Amino acid sequence: GENVEQHPSTLSVQEGDSAVIKCTYSDSASNYFPWYKQELGKGPQLIIDIRSNVGEKKDQRIAVTLNKTAKHFSLHITETQPEDSAVYFCAASRITGGGNKLTFGTGTQLKVEL
Amino acid sequence: EADIYQTPRYLVIGTGKKITLECSQTMGHDKMYWYQQDPGMELHLIHYSYGVNSTEKGDLSSESTVSRIRTEHFPLTLESARPSHTSQYLCASSEFRTTNNEQFFGPGTRLTVL
Repeated sequence: GENVEQHPSTLSVQEGDSAVIKCTYSDSASNYFPWYKQELGKGPQLIIDIRSNVGEKKDQRIAVTLNKTAKHFSLHITETQPEDSAVYFCAASRITGGGNKLTFGTGTQLKVEL
Repeated sequence: EADIYQTPRYLVIGTGKKITLECSQTMGHDKMYWYQQDPGMELHLIHYSYGVNSTEKGDLSSESTVSRIRTEHFPLTLESARPSHTSQYLCASSEFRTTNNEQFFGPGTRLTVL
């Protein structure tokens, strides 16, 4: 089955700096890579996703890059703000006609300091 | 805000009790999932369903059982709770279409078995 590794487990940055979280996956058939943000006391929420036919995707201050050859993908947050403080999870999935089981990484606790 | 609900939010019970964690969604999603989230934050899929009367075991072995009698409802049951079942349980749902793979998560149930 799929195995997803995520680093770092904790990340502390100053407000306004950039944050980068990296993930690697093992199954070359995986073709869908979402990123979820989990705030305290809440369930995870999708913030951005990328499919294997795309190398990079941006949404305002958030971007994700994918290197299929190396089987790794990264989340980039620019101009970090205190409200970006949360736990971030990467995930990988092989989308089929009926299935979409996600394998999650171990999570990164991001803290944005004033 | 996702329309997926979990009750109770918190539950403290004694060993040997039977419990049912409720999960309901009003989005008409065919796919539903249960995840177990351990104190180290990692999310593990324990059950999933692709429609009414369809249930499958996930990647992490669990002593819990699930049922899917109605599209909107996906309850999880523990026949005899043990301290090892203490964890956060997250329910999620998604559409069946392969063009939209976002999983919407509920707020979770934090279970403590004494």
